[in-house]
Amino acid sequence: GQQVMQIPQYQHVQEGEDFTTYCNSSTTLSNIQWYKQRPGGHPVFLIQLVKSGEVKKQKRLTFQFGEAKKNSSLHITATQTTDVGTYFCAGSNAGGTSYGKLTFGQGTILTVHP
Amino acid sequence: NAGVTQTPKFQVLKTGQSMTLQCAQDMNHNSMYWYRQDPGMGLRLIYYSASEGTTDKGEVPNGYNVSRLNKREFSLRLESAAPSQTSVYFCASGPLAGVINQPQHFGDGTRLSIL
Repeated sequence: GQQVMQIPQYQHVQEGEDFTTYCNSSTTLSNIQWYKQRPGGHPVFLIQLVKSGEVKKQKRLTFQFGEAKKNSSLHITATQTTDVGTYFCAGSNAGGTSYGKLTFGQGTILTVHP
Repeated sequence: NAGVTQTPKFQVLKTGQSMTLQCAQDMNHNSMYWYRQDPGMGLRLIYYSASEGTTDKGEVPNGYNVSRLNKREFSLRLESAAPSQTSVYFCASGPLAGVINQPQHFGDGTRLSIL
């Protein structure tokens, strides 16, 4: 079945440093979504990427979808303490039988030290 | 705006007991999902309902049953709870019926411990 691997599992940064998390799929994806979960909270949708090579920005966050649609990354520039949380990628199979289903990566837990 | 509401928020059960986790959404969404979240394993899909009246298995359905009671409500039942089912359970919904490319809206979760 489809597997979505996410690295690193943990990342500790000083406030102001940059942060990147990577997501890799064993199969070609039709789209990839990114979610953020604050400690003790629930996942919140951030963005969806659909096109090969797509890059989208949300303020200090930059999302990329690989040319082969098998990998993605989330980059945060100049982290702030409000960025603390777990970042998940979630992908859907391209043209497969994953009817309405997303496969989530294991998540990257980001800690920001003030 | 309540969004997706889950009850209860916390529950402790003994092995072998049964219980139903409730989920309701007020966004007129068609698709609904149940996930479990365990440390280091992300979110795993238990069951989903692509539209009112339909349900289907996800990645980890064993030990669970679901009911799509109406368009708003999607419940998850543990018939005979086991310690391996200790987890945080999230209900989610999506606006479109059976469409992969849609964001999901999550409830606050139910923290379930099985002793």
